[in-house]
Amino acid sequence: DAMVIQNPRYQVTQFGKPVTLSCSQTLNHNVMYWYQQKSSQAPKLLFHYYDKDFNNEADTPDNFQSRRPNTSFCFLDIRSPGLGDAAMYLCATSRAINQPQHFGDGTRLSIL
Amino acid sequence: RKEVEQDPGPFNVPEGATVAFNCTYSNSASQSFFWYRQDCRKEPKLLMSVYSSGNEDGRFTAQLNRASQYISLLIRDSKLSDSATYLCVVNGDTGRRALTFGSGTRLQVQP
Repeated sequence: DAMVIQNPRYQVTQFGKPVTLSCSQTLNHNVMYWYQQKSSQAPKLLFHYYDKDFNNEADTPDNFQSRRPNTSFCFLDIRSPGLGDAAMYLCATSRAINQPQHFGDGTRLSIL
Repeated sequence: RKEVEQDPGPFNVPEGATVAFNCTYSNSASQSFFWYRQDCRKEPKLLMSVYSSGNEDGRFTAQLNRASQYISLLIRDSKLSDSATYLCVVNGDTGRRALTFGSGTRLQVQP
């Protein structure tokens, strides 16, 4: 059974139209992460939550926001998607910050 | 210098061959090291952690060289199903810094 679940698997949105990606976990892990991955590149960490403590990477654009209403769920909000935001978005969890991460299947975002 | 560097490959090897990848990291204070495997258009999956003394899991052997700041992954008796991208993952330092992923090394095992 999937332990990190991302919805939807594929998301198409229009240029500038806000979109929300969701992630849930059944592992009860403390840390949840959002990554952006483009073709042939490393996953790029956008931000992570350690419990309710939000940690933004310095180079994450303001256009990207996140919410973690409880331990199980974490959301990625893209306020005004641009063509450059088309990518695979990966959610991951870990028990602690330096522990192995478990990834969801990802959401592939396309921008029209 | 990038925090984590890998040769992108591709490494094209015949079935049954032994192949090794290296990954260098820049932060000498790094404490946690992992190898992940990522298939095309799929999510990364943990292959193995890397321990100071080196560790083995079946056909896979991982080693850490702190003096030269690199980790390695050795795959023996390559299978077609080993074809994937192998990502090196390192933490920045102790404390709250999250893991950093390398760009990956692509392996193609050929019949």
